[in-house]
Amino acid sequence: AAGVIQSPRHLIKEKRETATLKCYPIPRHDTVYWYQQGPGQDPQFLISFYEKMQSDKGSIPDRFSAQQFSDYHSELNMSSLELGDSALYFCASSLGSDEQYFGPGTRLTVT
Amino acid sequence: GQQLNQSPQSMFIQEGEDVSMNCTSSSIFNTWLWYKQDPGEGPVLLIALYKAGELTSNGRLTAQFGITRKDSFLNISASIPSDVGIYFCAGQLSQTGANNLFFGTGTRLTVIP
Repeated sequence: AAGVIQSPRHLIKEKRETATLKCYPIPRHDTVYWYQQGPGQDPQFLISFYEKMQSDKGSIPDRFSAQQFSDYHSELNMSSLELGDSALYFCASSLGSDEQYFGPGTRLTVT
Repeated sequence: GQQLNQSPQSMFIQEGEDVSMNCTSSSIFNTWLWYKQDPGEGPVLLIALYKAGELTSNGRLTAQFGITRKDSFLNISASIPSDVGIYFCAGQLSQTGANNLFFGTGTRLTVIP
């Protein structure tokens, strides 16, 4: 079965640079979530979209923004990167409020 | 924010043994889920629970949704080496516009062959 696709899988950026992470949900899933997982931590919710509209917001810094496009894929834009932004970023998708299925993640390293 | 505490934090067991871990919350959730995560990979959904008191099995895994809606446990029977990983519980309020997951602190499982 098709799974959630994330790209890139690895990304290295310098401080103050910008980064864009992409997420392609499971076909027919209309809801996308973004989570951030620091080393040794549990995933923390950032933001979610349902039918291309922002549906909920968690601990997402103002330097980050995201959107969901007409084909339901989503992008997380991160600006003015800081060392503390180094983490695994996961996208999950669901059909409405059903179970969330996670992608393989993007490992962001900020140097 | 929501606090979900998992115990134990880590476990070392012999292959073939049964495992039990649990998750408690200070708040009520309407859905409980259990995920397994391998290093550097995304969490993989194991079991989803939707009703207080519900007991659900998936192969060697059994999970229960606590009657108070503030806790859940996961049992793994006859452990095998590929069970190694970090197990996370997650609670979901399942309300309109608030379906994000709150994760537990994780239980790291090591299976000794």
